[in-house]
Amino acid sequence: AQKITQTQPGMFVQEKEAVTLDCTYDTSDQSYGLFWYKQPSSGEMIFLIYQGSYDEQNATEGRYSLNFQKARKSANLVISASQLGDSAMYFCAMREGYRSNTGKLIFGQGTTLQVKP
Amino acid sequence: DAEITQSPRHKITETGRQVTLACHQTWNHNNMFWYRQDLGHGLRLIHYSYGVQDTNKGEVSDGYSVSRSNTEDLPLTLESAASSQTSVYFCASSDPGLAGGDTQYFGPGTRLTVL
Repeated sequence: AQKITQTQPGMFVQEKEAVTLDCTYDTSDQSYGLFWYKQPSSGEMIFLIYQGSYDEQNATEGRYSLNFQKARKSANLVISASQLGDSAMYFCAMREGYRSNTGKLIFGQGTTLQVKP
Repeated sequence: DAEITQSPRHKITETGRQVTLACHQTWNHNNMFWYRQDLGHGLRLIHYSYGVQDTNKGEVSDGYSVSRSNTEDLPLTLESAASSQTSVYFCASSDPGLAGGDTQYFGPGTRLTVL
């Protein structure tokens, strides 16, 4: 069965430093997609970054990058130059199928990140 | 701008009452989803739809129903509200034909309290 594991319930990082949020996944499919979402204290879910299982290069979106290690089944989120506004809960999610019509996401438990000034 | 909205944003109801949470998207997405978020469980899928007249059960569908009569709306109904259904509910939509791997975009959420 599919499973997403985020082992860090909470993390602290100093402003302007980089931080890595861990995510490991389990699936028997060869085709899948991996997503990261941010949930600030206001509650909305904000899409950050996507990585397809067949994508050869790690995804990047501004200060966000996804460190995709397929053999290890890990999809860690790296935030460079942390800002106070990065303080939030971060969720890793997986969808079976690559550009498929299934669309269903399975979420990890989330990691709370606090950025210190 | 296209968006996805949910109403109400906050709702307090009593055990046994029927409650309907609205979700409306103007992205023209075929796929729509309902999730609930509880402490210690992350987000869990309740129901989902791949198009008009299509509905499917998710991981935690007991006590909930949905109907899809048009592309824009997927209302979630709690047939007889229970205290265990106190939660934050999120609606999401996606279009598998777009780039980005069928990314789901979420509404702002509805906080439901069942007394």
